[in-house]
Amino acid sequence: NAGVTQTPKFQVLKTGQSMTLQCAQDMNHEYMSWYRQDPGMGLRLIHYSVGAGITDQGEVPNGYNVSRSTTEDFPLRLLSAAPSQTSVYFCASSLFNGLANTGELFFGEGSRLTVL
Amino acid sequence: GIQVEQSPPDLILQEGANSTLRCNFSDSVNNLQWFHQNPWGQLINLFYIPSGTKQNGRLSATTVATERYSLLYISSSQTTDSGVYFCAVESFGNEKLTFGTGTRLTIIP
Repeated sequence: NAGVTQTPKFQVLKTGQSMTLQCAQDMNHEYMSWYRQDPGMGLRLIHYSVGAGITDQGEVPNGYNVSRSTTEDFPLRLLSAAPSQTSVYFCASSLFNGLANTGELFFGEGSRLTVL
Repeated sequence: GIQVEQSPPDLILQEGANSTLRCNFSDSVNNLQWFHQNPWGQLINLFYIPSGTKQNGRLSATTVATERYSLLYISSSQTTDSGVYFCAVESFGNEKLTFGTGTRLTIIP
């Protein structure tokens, strides 16, 4: 069991470039999400998904796109990178009971992105 | 949206000391989790505790949902306990976990 796997772990981009952060989980979790972590601000939710074909916005969605074509994968796309998107990005997953709440959240190891 | 406040923001203790970290939240919740982020950046789930008390070794947590707070207790601290502790909550029907800004714990040998 690999858990939640994120790639790449480090990336440097120039302003205006595009890239995709990959996230995969092998726990058959319905719920997947992307957070960004900035100094002094904790973790902020970017986008989340409660199942294949379903995505929704979190607290800070601008500048990011997501899709969920399979249960296992939840890629995060930056279409035109900006210096304000310099951050550490975490993917997380959990079981999901649609009647109750998101379950115990498991995190990937993070991806450090620098936009010059 | 729901507000989450953690205290204290920073805590420095000698090895062997006990500590209590607090998480206050502004609305009713059906989900509360505690996480530890180690100095290498890994986030580990410590407790899933929307109400009641749980214990895992030297760590225990209590959530009093009616009074909108949770406490994380660390006993006999070790240097490996150093890092940032986050509380995260989800209000009913929200499908989103909102994180506090964390408590940075430093254990000195």
